[in-house]
Amino acid sequence: ETGVTQTPRHLVMGMTNKKSLKCEQHLGHNAMYWYKQSAKKPLELMFVYNFKEQTENNSVPSRFSPECPNSSHLFLHLHTLQPEDSALYLCASSQAEGQGANEQYFGPGTRLTVT
Amino acid sequence: KNQVEQSPQSLIILEGKNCTLQCNYTVSPFSNLRWYKQDTGRGPVSLTIMTFSENTKSNGRYTATLDADTKQSSLHITASQLSDSASYICVVNRHAGNMLTFGGGTRLMVKP
Repeated sequence: ETGVTQTPRHLVMGMTNKKSLKCEQHLGHNAMYWYKQSAKKPLELMFVYNFKEQTENNSVPSRFSPECPNSSHLFLHLHTLQPEDSALYLCASSQAEGQGANEQYFGPGTRLTVT
Repeated sequence: KNQVEQSPQSLIILEGKNCTLQCNYTVSPFSNLRWYKQDTGRGPVSLTIMTFSENTKSNGRYTATLDADTKQSSLHITASQLSDSASYICVVNRHAGNMLTFGGGTRLMVKP
C-alpha cells in the first residue's frame, strides 16, 4: 500500500451519467494530482492541487471537474463523458510542489469505462 | 519538444535471466529521472530517483544508470523473477517542481 487510496476501483457509466472519483492520501502531503492513463499511451497529467489550490489544468475538457476540499482529499467529478474517456484514472500525492525532487505516490487507480 | 522515449516496448525473458531497459529523453531543463514499476491494475511504484550528478543507483536487483550528457538512462534487472512482470516507466522531471514527463513504458514479461 502506498498510502493513497482511490474509490471506486472500477466504474462503468453511460455518456449521460454523472459520477465522481475519490482519492484520499494518508501521507501528510500537500500536493495532489489526477492523471489519465489510456491504453498504450504515456500517463497524462490532468490537474495539480498544491495546498488545496489548483495550480495546473492541463487543457482538460470541462466535462472533468476536480475538487480539493482539503489536502487529504481529491475528487474528480465526471459528466457527459465520451467513450474515448475510458481509461485508468490515477491519483497521486507528494510534498508541496517546488520543494525539490519530491516523489509522487500513486493510488491504485479507477478503471473507467464509458458506454 | 519535451519527450521521453523507452525501448523496447515489450520484452519477454526467462526467469533468472538479466535484462536492460532503455530510456532516452529530450526534456530540458532536467531536474531528476525516475523509474517506476507498474503492476497490472495497480498504480506506479517508485524504484529509483536520480539527480543530475548521480550516474547509478541500485534498489535490490534493480540498477538504474544515468548519462545526463547523452540524455540516456537504463534500468538493469538482475536474476529476474516472475514478480518482475510489469510495466516499467521512465519519468523525467523538468525542473525543481513536480511537472513530470512520462515515457510510454516497457512491458516486461518473465516466464518460468
